[in-house]
Amino acid sequence: EAGVVQSPRYKIIEKKQPVAFWCNPISGHNTLYWYRQNLGQGPELLIRYENEEAVDDSQLPKDRFSAERLKGVDSTLKIQPAELGDSAVYLCASSFTYDSYEQYFGPGTRLTVT
Amino acid sequence: AQKITQTQPGMFVQEKEAVTLDCTYDTSDPSYGLFWYKQPSSGEMIFLIYQGSYDQQNATEGRYSLNFQKARKSANLVISASQLGDSAMYFCAMRDPVSGGYQKVTFGTGTKLQVIP
Repeated sequence: EAGVVQSPRYKIIEKKQPVAFWCNPISGHNTLYWYRQNLGQGPELLIRYENEEAVDDSQLPKDRFSAERLKGVDSTLKIQPAELGDSAVYLCASSFTYDSYEQYFGPGTRLTVT
Repeated sequence: AQKITQTQPGMFVQEKEAVTLDCTYDTSDPSYGLFWYKQPSSGEMIFLIYQGSYDQQNATEGRYSLNFQKARKSANLVISASQLGDSAMYFCAMRDPVSGGYQKVTFGTGTKLQVIP
């Protein structure tokens, strides 16, 4: 069974440019999470989806970040415009339901904003 | 107050020895869950073990066990018979209810474990 797939693995952009990350969760997993992990820190939740619905986006900086999960399968996280402080690893995870205690993580996208 | 506290930024352990990674948590809800994840240098977070707040016995998964002390609000990870492949970052996490009726997972800052041959 394929794990959580993310692309790209690495991205370098200049500040004020847009960037998008893509995630394909494990087949059959209804819950999808986007996390941001700053250097030396643990992951912080940005947004959680239950199928197509964003049920927790309280930590998402809505002025520049947006996310979508059309058809309740794969998801895209976008930043526009990027700032220097957005440099981090963006992790996608999925679980069967929000009650499932095990989240399966993808390899992450390392974003560097110059 | 921090929800999850990991006070050991880095730890060393001799191969084949046991090691304990510390984690304390803070929540006022009686229903919560505690997790440990491993993050190798490749970056992927790997689930290791889970302990529910109502579980009577400490969770074990192979060489991993969770020393759950509810009164102390601690959930230490014990790795027995350390292997070189155990060298990684280890994150403690807690899931507890937040407003809106759903549960949220909060991660600690991690402990970097290095296994010495």
